[in-house]
Amino acid sequence: GAGVSQSPSNKVTEKGKDVELRCDPISGHTALYWYRQRLGQGLEFLIYFQGNSAPDKSGLPSDRFSAERTGESVSTLTIQRTQQEDSAVYLCASSLVRGGALAKNIQYFGAGTRLSVL
Amino acid sequence: AQKVTQAQTEISVVEKEDVTLDCVYETRDTTYYLFWYKQPPSGELVFLIRRNSFDEQNEISGRYSWNFQKSTSSFNFTITASQVVDSAVYFCALSEASLDSNYQLIWGAGTKLIIKP
Repeated sequence: GAGVSQSPSNKVTEKGKDVELRCDPISGHTALYWYRQRLGQGLEFLIYFQGNSAPDKSGLPSDRFSAERTGESVSTLTIQRTQQEDSAVYLCASSLVRGGALAKNIQYFGAGTRLSVL
Repeated sequence: AQKVTQAQTEISVVEKEDVTLDCVYETRDTTYYLFWYKQPPSGELVFLIRRNSFDEQNEISGRYSWNFQKSTSSFNFTITASQVVDSAVYFCALSEASLDSNYQLIWGAGTKLIIKP
């Protein structure tokens, strides 16, 4: 596609339910990132995928959070047993190549999924 | 440790005024990249510029200009003759190039810019 696509754009769920957020990166982009942005705050790194390498999960806040990516395509971020503190906008970004002096390491972002946990 | 500081939480100016958004960074690496992104009310982050640490030349793009000064570890962003459409949150970010950094973006907290008509 032309840009990074995220779905759903909005998700309202009840506390304790599981949610799944989807990200379609720009075609050909090998790197994919998930961020969380709480209201009025900056971006909080969650997880990163690069090709077939093991993902960098260092930003995941708890074991309720997990993410998968199949090859260099779609990624899903799953939050189990949601809590009210999980309410935030979840942003996905992709980049062509991660790292290197000539790397095109510019991240392009989707519009985000706004998650509200009641 | 790497860090990006955007000390201005919110700036409000009247349309057509010039405005400068400050960004100060900390890094031990000699090779790094600096970025500015714009987040309009729609929420989608828009890439504005990337600058590598070896290029201190200032850059101008239309009404936007960036002043990179390694001596003060700053990468400030100026909007000339501001317009209402410039209203957004602006983020500065740093990416180190060392092998153990994983080229992760370190984000500032953002500056909310309000342009009043």
